[in-house]
Amino acid sequence: DAGVTQSPTHLIKTRGQHVTLRCSPISGHKSVSWYQQVLGQGPQFIFQYYEKEERGRGNFPDRFSARQFPNYSSELNVNALLLGDSALYLCASSLAAGTREQYFGPGTRLTVT
Amino acid sequence: QQQVKQSPQSLIVQKGGIPIINCAYENTAFDYFPWYQQFPGKGPALLIAIRPDVSEKKEGRFTISFNKSAKQFSLHIMDSQPGDSATYFCAAGGYGGSQGNLIFGKGTKLSVKP
Repeated sequence: DAGVTQSPTHLIKTRGQHVTLRCSPISGHKSVSWYQQVLGQGPQFIFQYYEKEERGRGNFPDRFSARQFPNYSSELNVNALLLGDSALYLCASSLAAGTREQYFGPGTRLTVT
Repeated sequence: QQQVKQSPQSLIVQKGGIPIINCAYENTAFDYFPWYQQFPGKGPALLIAIRPDVSEKKEGRFTISFNKSAKQFSLHIMDSQPGDSATYFCAAGGYGGSQGNLIFGKGTKLSVKP
């Protein structure tokens, strides 16, 4: 069975640009959460989506946005990129919004120059 | 404000040893405490998780001990192997109505020497 998939694997962007990261959850899972992991730190929560609705938002600026599609896949968008946005962006899927167990994908490594 | 404190930052043990990683939390509304294992270049993998109504949980060589009154929990790895060398993260979740929000510790880099 396929786990959580994310694309692209790596990405290099310039300051000021925008980026779109994509995630497909485990088949049958309806909730997707996004996390940012800076090198040497634990993942930090950005958003949770369930049934196409935002269910939670972490302490990130409005430059960060996301959405979920009818097939439960999700996109994370970041505008006006800053050097500090360089990180591993992780997507986690769970059965439903109230399900505790979260399963992470391999992540997208974003480098902002 | 860090809500989950993890220690030690790094740990070196010999093969067969029992590394112990500790975490402490502040928010008593947390009701779910998972441990994740992460290898370089990979996403975190869910290892084992516990809820506050249980004091200990074992899955294979991995054991979580939970002390609700002290607001602490720990991961023990029995008969550790070089393949267990990875970074381990504790986390806490379930508070504030946003159940998708896991709060992670800063991680412990474990090295198991042959």
